[in-house]
Amino acid sequence: GENVEQHPSTLSVQEGDSAVIKCTYSDSASNYFPWYKQELGKGPQLIIDIRSNVGEKKDQRIAVTLNKTAKHFSLHITETQPEDSAVYFCAAKSWTGGSYIPTFGRGTSLIVHP
Amino acid sequence: DGGITQSPKYLFRKEGQNVTLSCEQNLNHDAMYWYRQDPGQGLRLIYYSQIVNDFQKGDIAEGYSVSREKKESFPLTVTSAQKNPTAFYLCASNAGTEKNIQYFGAGTRLSVL
Repeated sequence: GENVEQHPSTLSVQEGDSAVIKCTYSDSASNYFPWYKQELGKGPQLIIDIRSNVGEKKDQRIAVTLNKTAKHFSLHITETQPEDSAVYFCAAKSWTGGSYIPTFGRGTSLIVHP
Repeated sequence: DGGITQSPKYLFRKEGQNVTLSCEQNLNHDAMYWYRQDPGQGLRLIYYSQIVNDFQKGDIAEGYSVSREKKESFPLTVTSAQKNPTAFYLCASNAGTEKNIQYFGAGTRLSVL
């Protein structure tokens, strides 16, 4: 099955700095890679996603890059703000026994200091 | 508003007791999922259902049971066989096809008394 590794587990930055979170996956058949943001006591919410036919996608201060050859993808947040503080999860979606099941990374706790 | 509703927000279980967590969605999604979240462990899949009256075990199904009698509802029962049930439980749904986004509920925090 799919295995997703996410690093770092904790990331502390100053407001205005950039933050980068990296994930690797094992199943070359995975073709959809979403990123979720989870605030304390809430469920994860999708913030950006990328499909395997695209190398980069940007949405305002957030961007995601995908390297299919190396099987890794990254989340980039520029000009970080205190409200960006949360846990971020990457995921890779692959076909498992007749269903598309996402496999999640273990999460990165991002702390943005004012 | 369309979305996923989990209840209760907090739940306490006594030893030997079964408890049921509710998950309802009005997104008309075929697929529903239950995840368990522990600190530093990410999201681990307990059960999933692609269609009414059908469900499959995920990675950590032991000690849990589910039913899918209606498209909108996917309740999770934490049985007394689950010896370490304290965790944050998340329900999710999507339309069941390859490129559909997974939506999550707000979660239920289960603790043992």
